[in-house]
Amino acid sequence: QVQLVESGGGVVQPGRSLRLSCAASGFTFRSLSMHWVRQAPGKGLEWVAFISWDGTNKYYADSVKGRFTISRDNSKNTLYLQVNSLRVEDTAVYYCARNPEYHFNFDYWGQGTLVTVSS
Amino acid sequence: QSALTQPASVSGSPGQSITISCTGTSSDVGGYNYVSWYQQHPGKAPKLIISDVNNRPSGVSNRFSGSKSGNTASLTISGLQAEDEADYYCSSYTSSSTWMFGGGTKLTVL
Repeated sequence: QVQLVESGGGVVQPGRSLRLSCAASGFTFRSLSMHWVRQAPGKGLEWVAFISWDGTNKYYADSVKGRFTISRDNSKNTLYLQVNSLRVEDTAVYYCARNPEYHFNFDYWGQGTLVTVSS
Repeated sequence: QSALTQPASVSGSPGQSITISCTGTSSDVGGYNYVSWYQQHPGKAPKLIISDVNNRPSGVSNRFSGSKSGNTASLTISGLQAEDEADYYCSSYTSSSTWMFGGGTKLTVL
């Protein structure tokens, strides 16, 4: 069965960095595109970033462009999100989500990892 | 990148039907048949319930259906059940090669 397990969240001061990871299993990771989506406490979902199956295409929300970097290691079945210059408003649960082939949505989600930015 | 517009809340009694709207622009909802809907129970990850405007993934109840007219997509839940009480989000691919979500709608089953 498809499993996505995020890790790497925690409490961090404004301006600092973190690297989030998403370990994938139960499907051919190297064949599918992936996303990061976040949800601030008590708020709605916000799409963050997309990476194509081979890592050649990457797209970002305006709110994170220039500060966040999405990447993947298909040999390790792992998706990453490098988050730099963190702001208080980046506090959220960060989910990784799978993009099914030939579609433009999120068919499987991880359980999320909480990033709290606070001084 | 503004969010798609959804009503903040809707409610209905068991057995009734409700519809949640999702309004965007010609650059997102109106421009592509790539609208999807997600159900999220408190403390849980979202779950895909409708893809590509009106397709139900395997295992999703046929009480859930989707449609689109112009720049507005809709999710209809028929035969409301207590377990349907949750937050619902629409999403659309956009002409900027990005994705957008609606602000979310809280469904209360009375």
